[in-house]
Amino acid sequence: SYVLTQPPSVSVAPGKTARITCGGNNIGSKSVHWYQQKPGQAPVLVIYYDSDRPSGIPERFSGSNSGNTATLTISRVEAGDEADYYCQVWDSSSDHQVFGGGTKLTVL
Amino acid sequence: EVQLVQSGAEVKKPGESLRISCKGSGYSFTSYWISWVRQMPGKGLEWMGRIDPSDSYTNYSPSFQGHVTISADKSISTAYLQWSSLKASDTAMYYCARQEYSSSASFDYWGQGTLVTVSS
Repeated sequence: SYVLTQPPSVSVAPGKTARITCGGNNIGSKSVHWYQQKPGQAPVLVIYYDSDRPSGIPERFSGSNSGNTATLTISRVEAGDEADYYCQVWDSSSDHQVFGGGTKLTVL
Repeated sequence: EVQLVQSGAEVKKPGESLRISCKGSGYSFTSYWISWVRQMPGKGLEWMGRIDPSDSYTNYSPSFQGHVTISADKSISTAYLQWSSLKASDTAMYYCARQEYSSSASFDYWGQGTLVTVSS
C-alpha cells in the first residue's frame, strides 16, 4: 500500500515561513491535498490539487508537488496557524485514499 | 450552505451494535461521494471507506473491511457507518467527508465528528 511520510513536528517563529513536507514514492504524479486540524475541531481543506486554495483560505497558504515530495508552505506564520496538518492522496493501484501521519505545527 | 451534520456522541459496551449518521444539506447528495474517516485519541486520520449515494456502491480500506458497514439512504440525504459488534479499540472520533465524483478529488466538506466510546 502507498505510504505518505510527514515529519511529526515543525516549529516556526511568528512572521516566518513554515514548510511541511509529505513524502511518497513518485508523489509528483499524484494529486495532493492538505488539511488543517485545530484541537477539538474537524479537519479543514487548505490546499487541493497540489496548489489550489479553497475560498476563504489566506494566500499565505501555498503548495507544491514534485518528485517524491509535496510541500505545504505557510508564509508569515501567525499564532492561529498552530494546528495539525495532514496530506492526502488517492492510491490508484488500490483505489484507496491515504493520509499522511500528520505534522504538528508549533508557533514559537 | 453545504453542511454535513453528524449524529451525537455514543457510549457503548463491547459487543454492542451501533449506527451513526451523517446528513448532507445544501447540495445534491447524490452528486458527491461520502467517506468515513477515523481518528483515534491523539492519533492521525485514517480513511475507512466511501459510498456513492446514487447507487450505494462502496469501497473499503482493507483495515476496516468486514468490521464496519457503510450505507446511505438517498431519500433523506443521509450516510451511515455501522458496527455489529463493537470493540474497545473502536473508541475514536469518526468524521464523514464529502468528495467530488473523482477518486483523486479532495474532501472539501467535513462533518463535525461523532465521538464513539466503547467501554465495559
